[in-house]
Amino acid sequence: QKEVEQDPGPLSVPEGAIVSLNCTYSNSAFQYFMWYRQYSRKGPELLMYTYSSGNKEDGRFTAQVDKSSKYISLFIRDSQPSDSATYLCAMSNPSGGSYIPTFGRGTSLIVHP
Amino acid sequence: KAGVTQTPRYLIKTRGQQVTLSCSPISGHRSVSWYQQTPGQGLQFLFEYFSETQRNKGNFPGRFSGRQFSNSRSEMNVSTLELGDSALYLCASSPLSDEQFFGPGTRLTVL
Repeated sequence: QKEVEQDPGPLSVPEGAIVSLNCTYSNSAFQYFMWYRQYSRKGPELLMYTYSSGNKEDGRFTAQVDKSSKYISLFIRDSQPSDSATYLCAMSNPSGGSYIPTFGRGTSLIVHP
Repeated sequence: KAGVTQTPRYLIKTRGQQVTLSCSPISGHRSVSWYQQTPGQGLQFLFEYFSETQRNKGNFPGRFSGRQFSNSRSEMNVSTLELGDSALYLCASSPLSDEQFFGPGTRLTVL
């Protein structure tokens, strides 16, 4: 079992839909949680960064962390075709001053007009 | 501020050859990490360099190596290439290594 599990999809939704992307993890020591967006032929870019449990909102994006269930989510409201990309969750356990994250495999999202 | 740059962007090699990839981090970032991304395994951590020292290493064979120069630029080398080394190699820089800023990657194809 991988430390971070993420459904690869693809997830296909109509424009304007609310999208829910999820990851589960097994290492309870993870403290930092991130979501990256990766467009085709590009490197991942950091979307959201949260510490510990709770919600964080940034525009149309909301990141949610439930440490008791070892479950994190990214919600996208009013999804747009430009949101079509692969979304990777990542999490890290700071140890000895290093925060190297462990990544999920990514979920491919397709938003069709 | 300029982003992370990687060269070359595309590379085709044959089995048994070696390859060197280059990464220039964001100015002021001292941590540089390398990742291998494949459809089957996703994004896997290779190693991290901080102030010219390897600080962390992933579970890859010794054929994969790297180094960092005094100006924070980094190179990674893969010797005796295998077909399974075909992947997108991503470099990421960070001021501390929690927030990773990725470059566009080098697409390596091994024939």
